[in-house]
Amino acid sequence: SQQGEEDPQALSIQEGENATMNCSYKTSINNLQWYRQNSGRGLVHLILIRSNEREKHSGRLRVTLDTSKKSSSLLITASRAADTASYFCATDGIASGSRLTFGEGTQLTVNP
Amino acid sequence: DAGITQSPRHKVTETGTPVTLRCHQTENHRYMYWYRQDPGHGLRLIHYSYGVKDTDKGEVSDGYSVSRSKTEDFLLTLESATSSQTSVYFCAISELRRDGYNEQFFGPGTRLTVL
Repeated sequence: SQQGEEDPQALSIQEGENATMNCSYKTSINNLQWYRQNSGRGLVHLILIRSNEREKHSGRLRVTLDTSKKSSSLLITASRAADTASYFCATDGIASGSRLTFGEGTQLTVNP
Repeated sequence: DAGITQSPRHKVTETGTPVTLRCHQTENHRYMYWYRQDPGHGLRLIHYSYGVKDTDKGEVSDGYSVSRSKTEDFLLTLESATSSQTSVYFCAISELRRDGYNEQFFGPGTRLTVL
């Protein structure tokens, strides 16, 4: 089964609104990463949050991590049509070596 | 794109035929990965490599084999393709960040259709 599970599966918002995506996972982690995938393209790394961090910011992105609940959220503020993409969380498990386990993703649509 | 290319980018083949997908990287990364992406399943790891001739299975390795005879090339082979192997295949490399964690960079993908 997938280590990371995102919700919602799909999210549709208007430009300028904030978008929040959630990720839950099952095992202990070293870090959690978020990736973005534009249609027909490979995944691109967005941000990494370490297991001892609770919040991290990068531009319009804000990521939180709650290791007690084994969950993370990705917030995109002031969304733009260009943010339309699929977003995936990936966990770097303590026993996983160099492997990441990806969730099923959230499809975000930002309407102009 | 971390110098990752995949070939072919698209392939249509028939059930029972062998298929080999190639991943090529130009930056001497040690770790390489093959994933498949299907609707409702996200990315699932097929096989990975941690060096020349060093490979290991991922979560969905049945029906697939890999080889890595050179640092720059990681080959994925479907010995006898089945319709269930219709998917988009992504290659990735892992790069060690300054903070000591690994970040993955992905190739553009190969869309494989097995009829």
